[in-house]
Amino acid sequence: AQTVTQSQPEMSVQEAETVTLSCTYDTSENNYYLFWYKQPPSRQMILVIRQEAYKQQNATENRFSVNFQKAAKSFSLKISDSQLGDTAMYFCAFKNSNSGYALNFGKGTSLLVTP
Amino acid sequence: NAGVTQTPKFRILKIGQSMTLQCTQDMNHNYMYWYRQDPGMGLKLIYYSVGAGITDKGEVPNGYNVSRSTTEDFPLRLELAAPSQTSVYFCASASGGLYNEQFFGPGTRLTVL
Repeated sequence: AQTVTQSQPEMSVQEAETVTLSCTYDTSENNYYLFWYKQPPSRQMILVIRQEAYKQQNATENRFSVNFQKAAKSFSLKISDSQLGDTAMYFCAFKNSNSGYALNFGKGTSLLVTP
Repeated sequence: NAGVTQTPKFRILKIGQSMTLQCTQDMNHNYMYWYRQDPGMGLKLIYYSVGAGITDKGEVPNGYNVSRSTTEDFPLRLELAAPSQTSVYFCASASGGLYNEQFFGPGTRLTVL
């Protein structure tokens, strides 16, 4: 089974600063996708960004970008110009063709953005 | 377009009671999933379905049952509730494939006392 590890249970960043959330994963496959999901206090799961394993170019979505290191099996999320609305739990997730393309989640990182 | 809806939002059960968590999606997605989220943990897969009439077990299926009689609905049944089933339950749907996003419902917070 694939495992996803998020080693930072909690992080804090000041508004307008940049923060990086870490994620490592374990798989023997070559064809997979990686995702970052945001879960604010409302509990709603919101897709932040996704990365295809075959693409070397790192994905970006506005203030969110990833650093995908396939050989190291590392997939970190960088949030630039942090905003108070970024306060949330962030989950790293792995997807392959197993279990109907279900997501395998890490335990999450709680991010607090302070004024 | 409501997306994925779940009912109820909250529920308290006594040990040994049974209940059904409802999940409906209006996006005509073939793939549907049930996850549970325990405090301080990520989501774990309970059951999934790749189409009407087809269901399969995920990582933590014990104590649960599902059915998929229509494309839209994917109810999760808890039989003989136990305190270990206290959790937040999420239903999700997707059109399948590696790229496509899973859309999540708002979750059901279940407490078993």
